[in-house]
Amino acid sequence: GQNIDQPTEMTATEGAIVQINCTYQTSGFNGLFWYQQHAGEAPTFLSYNVLDGLEEKGRFSSFLSRSKGYSYLLLKELQMKDSASYLCAVGVSGGYNKLIFGAGTRLAVHP
Amino acid sequence: DVKVTQSSRYLVKRTGEKVFLECVQDMDHENMFWYRQDPGLGLRLIYFSYDVKMKEKGDIPEGYSVSREKKERFSLILESASTNQTSMYLCASRLPGVNTEAFFGQGTRLTVV
Repeated sequence: GQNIDQPTEMTATEGAIVQINCTYQTSGFNGLFWYQQHAGEAPTFLSYNVLDGLEEKGRFSSFLSRSKGYSYLLLKELQMKDSASYLCAVGVSGGYNKLIFGAGTRLAVHP
Repeated sequence: DVKVTQSSRYLVKRTGEKVFLECVQDMDHENMFWYRQDPGLGLRLIYFSYDVKMKEKGDIPEGYSVSREKKERFSLILESASTNQTSMYLCASRLPGVNTEAFFGQGTRLTVV
């Protein structure tokens, strides 16, 4: 079956660093996406990894280990506006670019 | 600015009603998707379409149907709404290709009473 796990909730302090983990077991793998979703808004794309290693994009970085079925999203210099849900999604083969989403991690950033 | 637009932000319908949720994208994307989002369950795929008049069932298609008569428009139909279909519904579109990002609409929060 297809399974994606992420922590339900996390809290962090403004200015700090937080790491949001995602583990997956899927049939076929076409890459891993991270999306950010503020309350009441549409998810927006943050990153895509298909090769092992770290991809850095400003304050956000995403890491992938295909052999371990593991990814993390690293947020540095946290700001209050980073309070949101972070969705891990895996592209799976076998039909039309299907994306399987995890349940999401709700991050609360405190002053 | 690329855009996926869902026709309603909030809807309240009665049990047994036929419900139409509309989605329009302006990016000329071939692939369009309907998800529902429930607390603790994440986004679950209901249906997707890879071309006009073409559709495939997702993971939870029961009680739903879809229509894609034009490339830019993808409609989700609840044939006979039930209370367990109360949820947030999200439409998305993507270009073909495994590394393309999905663009989402703002969502429709449907309540069935």
